[in-house]
Amino acid sequence: DIVMTQTPLSSPVTLGQPASISCRSSQSLVHSDGNTYLSWLQQRPGQPPRLLIYKISNRFSGVPDRFSGSGAGTDFTLKISRVEAEDVGVYYCMQATQFPLTFGGGTKVEIK
Amino acid sequence: QLQLQESGPGLVKPSETLSLTCTVSGGSISSSSYYWGWIRQPPGKGLEWIGSIYYSGSTYYNPSLKSRVTISVDTSKNQFSLKLSSVTAADTAVYYCARKDYWGQGTLVTVSS
Repeated sequence: DIVMTQTPLSSPVTLGQPASISCRSSQSLVHSDGNTYLSWLQQRPGQPPRLLIYKISNRFSGVPDRFSGSGAGTDFTLKISRVEAEDVGVYYCMQATQFPLTFGGGTKVEIK
Repeated sequence: QLQLQESGPGLVKPSETLSLTCTVSGGSISSSSYYWGWIRQPPGKGLEWIGSIYYSGSTYYNPSLKSRVTISVDTSKNQFSLKLSSVTAADTAVYYCARKDYWGQGTLVTVSS
């Protein structure tokens, strides 16, 4: 199984300031079809997860452009350019390159 | 917009079988080449993928649960289902159905006598 490791566990951020979350996979997420199936999910308190970013850097429909994804191979990053109150929650990276699908342990974004 | 809705008992006794159904609306489960999956989240913990099914019926299961899991699809009802046998308290979780881009609201299943 591919192990997904997220850091930090928790990220206290001042409103309007940037936040960054790292995700590292135990092996390359490049699929044989050339795509890298690394996604980022947001889970607000009491809500189901919601897709933010797919294939490393593609924002899903309706996702604000303050969210951006980057990376390659085994190292990936989610950045929030200016944190807003509605961004509070837990963020997960997820790989779908290989079954079984696996998730990072989550990073909690909270306001200082 | 695609919507997914989980349904099924919220309480299951230990050793029995957990059964959930996901009803898809706003799109056909067989009209496009997507996998449809089940994911669970124990209270206060992270996400665990249970398994996925292709509209044609091909399935992939998490090896840690494979011996107890069955996922099936009913294209005529636009639904797919999860069965998890021999449940224990460790199977207590919110169960989500999802396509890769859309998730259901989730349903809490508690295993208790």
